[in-house]
Amino acid sequence: NAGVTQTPKFRILKIGQSMTLQCTQDMNHNYMYWYRQDPGMGLKLIYYSVGAGITDKGEVPNGYNVSRSTTEDFPLRLELAAPSQTSVYFCASINEDRVGTGELFFGEGSRLTVL
Amino acid sequence: GEDVEQSLFLSVREGDSSVINCTYTDSSSTYLYWYKQEPGAGLQLLTYIFSNMDMKQDQRLTVLLNKKDKHLSLRIADTQTGDSAIYFCAENASGTYKYIFGTGTRLKVLA
Repeated sequence: NAGVTQTPKFRILKIGQSMTLQCTQDMNHNYMYWYRQDPGMGLKLIYYSVGAGITDKGEVPNGYNVSRSTTEDFPLRLELAAPSQTSVYFCASINEDRVGTGELFFGEGSRLTVL
Repeated sequence: GEDVEQSLFLSVREGDSSVINCTYTDSSSTYLYWYKQEPGAGLQLLTYIFSNMDMKQDQRLTVLLNKKDKHLSLRIADTQTGDSAIYFCAENASGTYKYIFGTGTRLKVLA
């Protein structure tokens, strides 16, 4: 079972470049999330989606965009990379009937450095 | 808005009990959670508690909830070196499908 797969695992970007972090899950989960993790700051929610075609902003959406054209995929796009976007990014998913249990499945993370 | 606070570090000796504390602001949170993150990995759910409970025990883990003070704690009995990790408290923001995480507590277990 693949679970939640994120690519790439590591990336270095120059200021102003664009890139997409890919996230795919094979568990047919309705809900998907993007978080960023910074030292001493915990996880901050960037965007989330409750199903194909539906996305919503989280706590820190500025500088990011998402789309959800299929149940499986939830890519995160950075249009004009800034040093403040240096972070570790986690994608997570959960099925609708498990939302209360909090049984999120996390990817292994994508470490992004913007120089 | 919702906010979840934790202390950043905790160090204990192997065999002792660890207590990790968390405070949250959303009094209408229905569920509260504890997650564990090992180095280089994503988070894994350890346990959760429904807001109408005061305590939940699961093997070496005991969760205490003081709803009046909006305080949640995780006690790990007989702490082992394999328990060294970052522990996150989280809440399910009421009326939404968002999970709000705390700052994380890095637990270091000394042999």
